[in-house]
Amino acid sequence: SAVISQKPSRDICQRGTSLTIQCQVDSQVTMMFWYRQQPGQSLTLIATANQGSEATYESGFVIDKFPISRPNLTFSTLTVSNMSPEDSSIYLCSVETGFNYGYTFGSGTRLTVV
Amino acid sequence: GEDVEQSLFLSVREGDSSVINCTYTDSSSTYLYWYKQEPGAGLQLLTYIFSNMDMKQDQRLTVLLNKKDKHLSLRIADTQTGDSAIYFCAQAGGGADGLTFGKGTHLIIQP
Repeated sequence: SAVISQKPSRDICQRGTSLTIQCQVDSQVTMMFWYRQQPGQSLTLIATANQGSEATYESGFVIDKFPISRPNLTFSTLTVSNMSPEDSSIYLCSVETGFNYGYTFGSGTRLTVV
Repeated sequence: GEDVEQSLFLSVREGDSSVINCTYTDSSSTYLYWYKQEPGAGLQLLTYIFSNMDMKQDQRLTVLLNKKDKHLSLRIADTQTGDSAIYFCAQAGGGADGLTFGKGTHLIIQP
């Protein structure tokens, strides 16, 4: 299965600032997915990112708040913009690696906004 | 819309079997997954089942799928302290949609 390197693993940020999270995959993948896991909650899909096109956002998430880049088939970034304490969550990227391996997840970025 | 439901907590004694249940609403789901999340860690894929299967066994893990009732279960035989984690049920309808997760079941192991 694919191996995903996600960074940073954690950060503490001031409100009003932005943080960019990076995910690097060790193989080429068509789609990458970004999720948010709020404290004590399940994972919610933020958006799907295909290389060469704009990301597709789920209901409740907008590009101005969570801009995503997908410059090639192995890399993607998610930016959390103009942060507030409500953005404190774990953010995870994921790729589909074929049904034998399901969806593989990065180790997550634990974001705390103060 | 898609929805996945799980009970929030399950407590079992070490050595017993754990059965974690999940219900889902999207009958077009092609694959259903179980993920494990240990404290402070990422998500680990435990097992999956294709929608045309009723059962899948993988060492201590047994997955049962009742497609008619849209019910999925994960049985862990001989539960150990290392099995203590949150277990997420997830469904996938297709590659473009990502996964829809349940809220997760906290498995608590009693000595």
